[in-house]
Amino acid sequence: NAGVTQTPKFQVLKTGQSMTLQCAQDMNHEYMSWYRQDPGMGLRLIHYSVGAGITDQGEVPNGYNVSRSTTEDFPLRLLSAAPSQTSVYFCAASARIGSYNEQFFGPGTRLTVL
Amino acid sequence: SQQGEEDPQALSIQEGENATMNCSYKTSINNLQWYRQNSGRGLVHLILIRSNEREKHSGRLRVTLDTSKKSSSLLITASRAADTASYFCAPTTSGTYKYIFGTGTRLKVLA
Repeated sequence: NAGVTQTPKFQVLKTGQSMTLQCAQDMNHEYMSWYRQDPGMGLRLIHYSVGAGITDQGEVPNGYNVSRSTTEDFPLRLLSAAPSQTSVYFCAASARIGSYNEQFFGPGTRLTVL
Repeated sequence: SQQGEEDPQALSIQEGENATMNCSYKTSINNLQWYRQNSGRGLVHLILIRSNEREKHSGRLRVTLDTSKKSSSLLITASRAADTASYFCAPTTSGTYKYIFGTGTRLKVLA
C-alpha cells in the first residue's frame, strides 16, 4: 500500500512548455485534490475531484487543467508554463466526503519554470 | 468551505518545553483537523476533533475545541527537536469538498 504517489519529484520547464504532473493513489479514496505551496506560505487549492468523472475548481485554477477518468489517478496539466507557476505541488486523497475525511498527502513535485 | 487561521505565525521554544498554537475559524463545523508539515514534505494528519468533543489526546498532543469561540488549540507537551515543523488546522463542514489551509504556525524546537 503506497498511499499517494507523485511523479516526477523535480521538474524544470521553460516558459511556454506544457507538462503533466502525475498523482496516483491505491486507497480507493473518492476525493482527490491538488495544492500548490509557495515558499513560506500555506497550501492553495488548485482543483479537486469528488469522484471519477467529476472535477471542480479551487482557489487558484487558472493555467491548470485536471481530469479524473479513474478513481486512482488525478493528473494535473500545466498548459503553458509561466514563472509564476514555480512552486511545490502536492496531491492529496481522502476516503470520505463529509464529516470524517482525513487527507493523505503525496511527497510533492518541486517545479521550476525558467 | 472555510479557512482556519493559525496563530502565532512562528514559535520558537527550547526542547522539553510545551508548545501551544491556536486556530480560529468563522462558521460552524463538523470537525477540525490538525496537520504537520516537515520541511519539504507533504502534510501529515495528526488528530481530528469532532464538533461535539471538547478535548482529545494523542500521545504528546492535546487538542481542544471551543465551538462557542470558534477556536481550537494544539498543545505539544515535552517538545523535541523532531517536532520542528509547520502546523496547519483544517476546519471542515459536512458537504464541503474544498479544504482550505491557512499559512500555518512554524514551530522551531531548539536542542
